[in-house]
Amino acid sequence: NAGVTQTPKFRILKIGQSMTLQCTQDMNHNYMYWYRQDPGMGLKLIYYSVGAGITDKGEVPNGYNVSRSTTEDFPLRLELAAPSQTSVYFCASSYGTGGLDGYTFGSGTRLTVV
Amino acid sequence: AQSVTQPDIHITVSEGASLELRCNYSYGATPYLFWYVQSPGQGLQLLLKYFSGDTLVQGIKGFEAEFKRSQSSFNLRKPSVHWSDAAEYFCAANRDDKIIFGKGTRLHILP
Repeated sequence: NAGVTQTPKFRILKIGQSMTLQCTQDMNHNYMYWYRQDPGMGLKLIYYSVGAGITDKGEVPNGYNVSRSTTEDFPLRLELAAPSQTSVYFCASSYGTGGLDGYTFGSGTRLTVV
Repeated sequence: AQSVTQPDIHITVSEGASLELRCNYSYGATPYLFWYVQSPGQGLQLLLKYFSGDTLVQGIKGFEAEFKRSQSSFNLRKPSVHWSDAAEYFCAANRDDKIIFGKGTRLHILP
């Protein structure tokens, strides 16, 4: 049971480039989330999904896009990367609504935009 | 606005000493409450959660937390810390379909 798998683990982007952060879970969880973590700022919710085909914005969605075509996958797309998007990105999933049974987190993607 | 506040950015305790990490929430109604721990370079792991009922909840790794409605608090405690408890701790709250996290408290352990 792999849980939540994020790829890549590290990435350096140049300003203006685009990329997709991959997130896959094998627990048949309905709910999936993308957070970014910046030093001293905790985790900020970027986007979330309550099921395949349904996505919604979180606290800091600007500069990002998501899709949820299957239960398992929830990729995060960065268009026109900016230095402000330098961060550690975490994907999480849960079976119940709002993580009432607790989130399962991936190990994160460390992104640097230069 | 809904928020979760952890007033202490850093806490340092000696190994074997007791620990209390503070958390306050601001919501229209009592949310569901959580504590997570993050070891360096890792994702977050759920320590414990409170939904309703008994206000003292037990978690993994010997941690417990007490919910106090009158103080809008959900403080995390451990009677005796071990060096392996050094990590960052996040309080979190949920009221709709998503969880909001506090900014975290980094715990340092003195030998």
